[in-house]
Amino acid sequence: KAGVTQTPRYLIKTRGQQVTLSCSPISGHRSVSWYQQTPGQGLQFLFEYFSETQRNKGNFPGRFSGRQFSNSRSEMNVSTLELGDSALYLCASSLVPLTSGGSYEQYFGPGTRLTVT
Amino acid sequence: GQQVMQIPQYQHVQEGEDFTTYCNSSTTLSNIQWYKQRPGGHPVFLIQLVKSGEVKKQKRLTFQFGEAKKNSSLHITATQTTDVGTYFCAAARVNFGNEKLTFGTGTRLTIIP
Repeated sequence: KAGVTQTPRYLIKTRGQQVTLSCSPISGHRSVSWYQQTPGQGLQFLFEYFSETQRNKGNFPGRFSGRQFSNSRSEMNVSTLELGDSALYLCASSLVPLTSGGSYEQYFGPGTRLTVT
Repeated sequence: GQQVMQIPQYQHVQEGEDFTTYCNSSTTLSNIQWYKQRPGGHPVFLIQLVKSGEVKKQKRLTFQFGEAKKNSSLHITATQTTDVGTYFCAAARVNFGNEKLTFGTGTRLTIIP
């Protein structure tokens, strides 16, 4: 079956603008998590959505927000972009949410590389 | 906040040698996950450990979760060139109903043929 897809793959934006990234999970997966990866800070957890509800949240400012639709597709929005937001944004999907214990397994998409100038 | 230390940062080994990466948390964890990321690729989920003292094996890979659920290790026996990549641990801790995943800084493994 098809893997996790993310669009767009590459994006260039200017400081102050906003951006919306999209993630389509593996068919049947209801949990979608978002991550930011940078050389300096590494991989950081943004948030997790399950059945259209935000279940868990990392330590990012309110400029970072997300949502999940009834078909489990998810979008992430970053408003008032800053230079430091340049990163690879990864989404991952899983059948069950993060708090499910031993049955948890998530699959990452290829990521969206965002450059803020 | 939660700290997750992962060591070493880099490891160069001869093909056929063993490799181990360690992950240590300052707080007790609900579970720990391990990922592999090849250069230019995205992280690939390897395993999740939940129980205190748990040991799991996947072919040449052995994963351990400490008795106190504060540390974990990944050991690869007889490395192969296909093992090249960065190995991350991700520690999950529930705090007031919010489960956060904190990733370690990763250990980049290179293999000398």
